[in-house]
Amino acid sequence: RKEVEQDPGPFNVPEGATVAFNCTYSNSASQSFFWYRQDCRKEPKLLMSVYSSGNEDGRFTAQLNRASQYISLLIRDSKLSDSATYLCVVKKKADKLIFGTGTRLQVFP
Amino acid sequence: NAGVTQTPKFRVLKTGQSMTLLCAQDMNHEYMYWYRQDPGMGLRLIHYSVGEGTTAKGEVPDGYNVSRLKKQNFLLGLESAAPSQTSVYFCASSYAGANTGELFFGEGSRLTVL
Repeated sequence: RKEVEQDPGPFNVPEGATVAFNCTYSNSASQSFFWYRQDCRKEPKLLMSVYSSGNEDGRFTAQLNRASQYISLLIRDSKLSDSATYLCVVKKKADKLIFGTGTRLQVFP
Repeated sequence: NAGVTQTPKFRVLKTGQSMTLLCAQDMNHEYMYWYRQDPGMGLRLIHYSVGEGTTAKGEVPDGYNVSRLKKQNFLLGLESAAPSQTSVYFCASSYAGANTGELFFGEGSRLTVL
């Protein structure tokens, strides 16, 4: 079983839609959680951290459920520019980040 | 705003050839990493360094060597390339321990081994 699992998608949604991605992790000792965004044939970039209390950054909301060991990312009012692959990332212990395989989002007009 | 720079961007090798990927960062980061990204596998850590003169093995270190002689540079070497090493290689750097979760990545190096 992979340490971090994501639905690969693709999720095809119209502009303005709300879309949610989930990610599960297997190591209950995982310390920190993040979402990265990766555009086609580009490098990954940090989108946002995920806090236990949940956090929001504009149209993006991240949630963490430690009991069920899953992380979610909600995107409201999707834009064409949101089309990308979203990587779930878990920090296990010092200095090690474990990346999920990513969920691909395609927003269409 | 150079950030993290990788060279070369593209390379085609024959099985058994050797090569070195160079990563340079200008952010004075202590930590540097080499990842490979393959379809369906996600980013996997090859080797990393927590400071000048130090290196450590990651998840998939076999077939690769690294060196960090200068703080700003992290080299990844393939001594005898194999087709299984065909991949996209990303270098990244971070402030100490990536406590904020933020790794700064280079643009990637696409390597094909025939």
